[in-house]
Amino acid sequence: TQLLEQSPQFLSIQEGENLTVYCNSSSVFSSLQWYRQEPGEGPVLLVTVVTGGEVKKLKRLTFQFGDARKDSSLHITAAQTGDTGLYLCAGVRYSTLTFGKGTMLLVSP
Amino acid sequence: ETGVTQTPRHLVMGMTNKKSLKCEQHLGHNAMYWYKQSAKKPLELMFVYSLEERVENNSVPSRFSPECPNSSHLFLHLHTLQPEDSALYLCASSQDLAAYNEQFFGPGTRLTVL
Repeated sequence: TQLLEQSPQFLSIQEGENLTVYCNSSSVFSSLQWYRQEPGEGPVLLVTVVTGGEVKKLKRLTFQFGDARKDSSLHITAAQTGDTGLYLCAGVRYSTLTFGKGTMLLVSP
Repeated sequence: ETGVTQTPRHLVMGMTNKKSLKCEQHLGHNAMYWYKQSAKKPLELMFVYSLEERVENNSVPSRFSPECPNSSHLFLHLHTLQPEDSALYLCASSQDLAAYNEQFFGPGTRLTVL
């Protein structure tokens, strides 16, 4: 059983479109991290959300942590080709970090 | 060099070969990690080192042998691997073991076992 489910697994959109990707679990996490991994590189941390209901913004990216700290979403406004990559969520629980499988986002010109 | 570096970036080996992956961090961190990233699977934590001592081994087969000679270097020694071991092997470091700390990842070694 996968601890963290990410959806969709793959998303292909045009530049300028908006999108939301999800990270869901039946487990409660003390915090949740979002990473972006570009082809040929390692994951890079984008944000950490800690408080239930917390919303953080990073330019065109909006991250939300669910009230019950079991799920999170990432919304991208007006996607750009530079947003292409694998988006990974990772939950912190019992001092360990558990990753989801990721959402592969392809933004075409 | 800055951040976390890994060598080699690509490695092709036969099942009877012995090879080593190298990771170096230039961040002054105290914790280092090895992860395995396979297609359609979540990142799998393999080994964790803190201040050069192994603190976690997630049921990894003995054909993978880690070594941490100092807080800046981490190796993964490979021998008699199987084709299913083909994957991207990522090294990461963090300030310490507190899981909420940001982990800085290297670019990975793409391993193919023939």
